Amino acid sequence: DAKTTQPTSMDCAEGRAANLPCNHSTISGNEYVYWYRQIHSQGPQYIIHGLKNNETNEMASLIITEDRKSSTLILPHATLRDTAVYYCIVRVRYGGATNKLIFGTGTLLAVQP
Amino acid sequence: DTEVTQTPKHLVMGMTNKKSLKCEQHMGHRAMYWYKQKAKKPPELMFVYSYEKLSINESVPSRFSPECPNSSLLNLHLHALQPEDSALYLCASSHILRGGDKAGELFFGEGSRLTVL
Repeated sequence: DAKTTQPTSMDCAEGRAANLPCNHSTISGNEYVYWYRQIHSQGPQYIIHGLKNNETNEMASLIITEDRKSSTLILPHATLRDTAVYYCIVRVRYGGATNKLIFGTGTLLAVQP
Repeated sequence: DTEVTQTPKHLVMGMTNKKSLKCEQHMGHRAMYWYKQKAKKPPELMFVYSYEKLSINESVPSRFSPECPNSSLLNLHLHALQPEDSALYLCASSHILRGGDKAGELFFGEGSRLTVL
């Protein structure tokens, strides 16, 4: 199972882009990278996922390196409400129709006014 | 409706009590999950149900007993818990697509915060 490594914490100024890195050097060719976040006292929230190509949605952009050993989640204009723990997860495939999503320790992003 | 509803939001129980946590979703998801989260730690997977059948049990003690009575409901029965079982219990659901990426998009509830005295 591929493991992920993220910085424990990061700061970002409000209105600036937040770039959250993640290393997943043992990722397999058919494993996806998912990003979730958890705002204090709430359940985790799905943000974005990708396999090989860069992805963008209304919340964020995901940049995956060509060798797939690392990725970066980009919040283009961080707001105070983006303060949360951000989890980078490699989807663990399970033999069958279900899957396991195993959370690592995550990065606490603090957006400063 | 894209919500996963968990009840109760807070529960305090003694070590000899029997209680249940409930989870409900109406998104047509056929995979449902229980996670446990201790303070300042990431969520830990406990159980996964697929088509109302238990497919993954992450070596959870038998004092936690999951049940999936139908495709919309997931229960977690609690009996003879220990104080160290105090935690936030999170329910989630997702689509099931063999090899598909949508299966990794989990929808989580707000959690049930359990305190065992």
